[in-house]
Amino acid sequence: AQKITQTQPGMFVQEKEAVTLDCTYDTSDQSYGLFWYKQPSSGEMIFLIYQGSYDEQNATEGRYSLNFQKARKSANLVISASQLGDSAMYFCAMREGISNDYKLSFGAGTTVTVRA
Amino acid sequence: DSGVTQTPKHLITATGQRVTLRCSPRSGDLSVYWYQQSLDQGLQFLIQYYNGEERAKGNILERFSAQQFPDLHSELNLSSLELGDSALYFCASSGRTSGVSNTGELFFGEGSRLTVL
Repeated sequence: AQKITQTQPGMFVQEKEAVTLDCTYDTSDQSYGLFWYKQPSSGEMIFLIYQGSYDEQNATEGRYSLNFQKARKSANLVISASQLGDSAMYFCAMREGISNDYKLSFGAGTTVTVRA
Repeated sequence: DSGVTQTPKHLITATGQRVTLRCSPRSGDLSVYWYQQSLDQGLQFLIQYYNGEERAKGNILERFSAQQFPDLHSELNLSSLELGDSALYFCASSGRTSGVSNTGELFFGEGSRLTVL
């Protein structure tokens, strides 16, 4: 079974608008971490934001925020004030268990295209 | 710059051949992870090493093998290559011994793009 599900293969957003990327996850662990990575066309993987399962507040990093709904097992990424440079593929990922030193499981990704 | 170095960046080879991909983790990181990203797909976990020992195994083919050396660099060996092995292979590292707490994010290299013809 898929641990991370990203149902939006591709999205278009107008420059300066906000966009929400969906991510749902499946785990029976009480302790886990959720991550978002950005992969521009150049190919590198860039870490954006992290949310721990015990964190009570939603994570924010600049224009990125994570809408964490634990009961629904969702961890949506919100990008505010979109810029042309935000055009990229975005991956949601999860680390299960209490150790910070364990593999991440990735979703299939969502391609975001920002229009001028 | 993530601090993770992968070589080569690009590699073109023929079916049936064998290649070795190399990864140097961030300074102080004990864990190395290998991922495969085929065209327009997500990242598939292959294998993780921690301080020289295999820690976790994913969907790694028997034709593939990896190891982590005492200096913590790692190599991924791909043999009897097939067309379907063409992909971007990422190495990532984590787990610094500095004692500073972290979220456990993985730091990725720029990847090695393998093309099998």
